[in-house]
Amino acid sequence: DIQMTQSPSTLSASVGDRVTITCRASQSISSWLAWYQQKPGKAPKLLIYKASSLETGVPSRFSGSGSGTEFTLTISSLQPDDFATYYCQQYISYSRTFGQGTKVEIK
Amino acid sequence: QVQLVQSGTEVKKPGASVKVSCKASGYTFTGYYIHWVRQAPGQGLEWMGWINPNSGDTDYAQKFQGRVTMTRDTSISTAYMELSRLRSDDTAVYYCARTRIAAAGGMDVWGQGTTVTVSS
Repeated sequence: DIQMTQSPSTLSASVGDRVTITCRASQSISSWLAWYQQKPGKAPKLLIYKASSLETGVPSRFSGSGSGTEFTLTISSLQPDDFATYYCQQYISYSRTFGQGTKVEIK
Repeated sequence: QVQLVQSGTEVKKPGASVKVSCKASGYTFTGYYIHWVRQAPGQGLEWMGWINPNSGDTDYAQKFQGRVTMTRDTSISTAYMELSRLRSDDTAVYYCARTRIAAAGGMDVWGQGTTVTVSS
């Protein structure tokens, strides 16, 4: 199975900060990567697919980049609604795997 | 509107089985895979497998092979996930989610989650 590793596990930031989360795959996944946001007690929400395509309705302050084995999710100016946990997920193989998550908390 | 609605909370004893349903509405059920993802308390997301509602084909994560069965009933646009030989570490929220069959992509619609508690 393809392993996905996110860093950092926790990130403390302030409103207005630029935030970057990294996701590394154990083997090349081309651009077959998605990013999700999850808030406590809620289902995950799709933010980005195919590494850099913004899902409809997602604010433009979210962006994704990368290919192969290294990917990043960037929030250009952190808003109060963005404090949440973020997960990457590969879908190059029929068996899909998630990263362990990155919690973005208030500094 | 497009939605996936799951069945309610379950409490089971170790060794029992649980069957969770996921009813789709607002879109063509056979045009999207249904995935099952679980989340243990305080933990991350864990992919369990998918079913192609059109063909009935399935793919399960190796961890759950032999214990999980995913089925569907196209007449009522509903997918099911049955997990057998439950253990305490199967206590989790179980989600269904869809992805397009014709074009690979992320899970864009999720169910509300079903809490399964395994306790003696």
